[in-house]
Amino acid sequence: AQSVTQPDIHITVSEGASLELRCNYSYGATPYLFWYVQSPGQGLQLLLKYFSGDTLVQGIKGFEAEFKRSQSSFNLRKPSVHWSDAAEYFCAVGVYYTDKLIFGTGTRLQVFP
Amino acid sequence: EAQVTQNPRYLITVTGKKLTVTCSQNMNHEYMSWYRQDPGLGLRQIYYSMNVEVTDKGDVPEGYKVSRKEKRNFPLILESPSPNQTSLYFCASSLAGPPAYEQYFGPGTRLTVT
Repeated sequence: AQSVTQPDIHITVSEGASLELRCNYSYGATPYLFWYVQSPGQGLQLLLKYFSGDTLVQGIKGFEAEFKRSQSSFNLRKPSVHWSDAAEYFCAVGVYYTDKLIFGTGTRLQVFP
Repeated sequence: EAQVTQNPRYLITVTGKKLTVTCSQNMNHEYMSWYRQDPGLGLRQIYYSMNVEVTDKGDVPEGYKVSRKEKRNFPLILESPSPNQTSLYFCASSLAGPPAYEQYFGPGTRLTVT
């Protein structure tokens, strides 16, 4: 069955430091992959998505993610974190022909000044 | 402004008292969905709808009902709420079914059942 794993429940970084959030998926074919951000008290907002093509995708707010088929990973990165990036981040895999997204359990990011 | 709205945003109720959480979108989207978010479990899909009068179960449908009589509205009904339905609920919509189409999420409804 398809699944998404986010191994880090909680990450703390200093403002200005680089960030990498991990995401691993289990899916038989090439997946549709997504990263969403949930700011406190808000709904989820799409940061970026991968469907095919270039394995390095750029998103909003300065985020990028790289699809690595050999590692079944889709890690989210940002070179310099801002205090406003503190939020919960969800990785999701889209399962074609099932009309659904499967979400990971989320990673809470805390940013210290 | 294009958006998905949910009401109420916060709700405290007692076991067994029927309730409805409304969801409305103004983007003429065909696909709508309900999720619940629980700590350590991420988001899990409750029900979804591909179009008017077409609904289907997600991964955790037990204890919930939905209806899609109009394209813009997709209410979530708890006929006899129980404490294990205490959760944060999100409605989402997209032009057509995922994964090819971006889902837009509402702000969430925090439900507490005592």
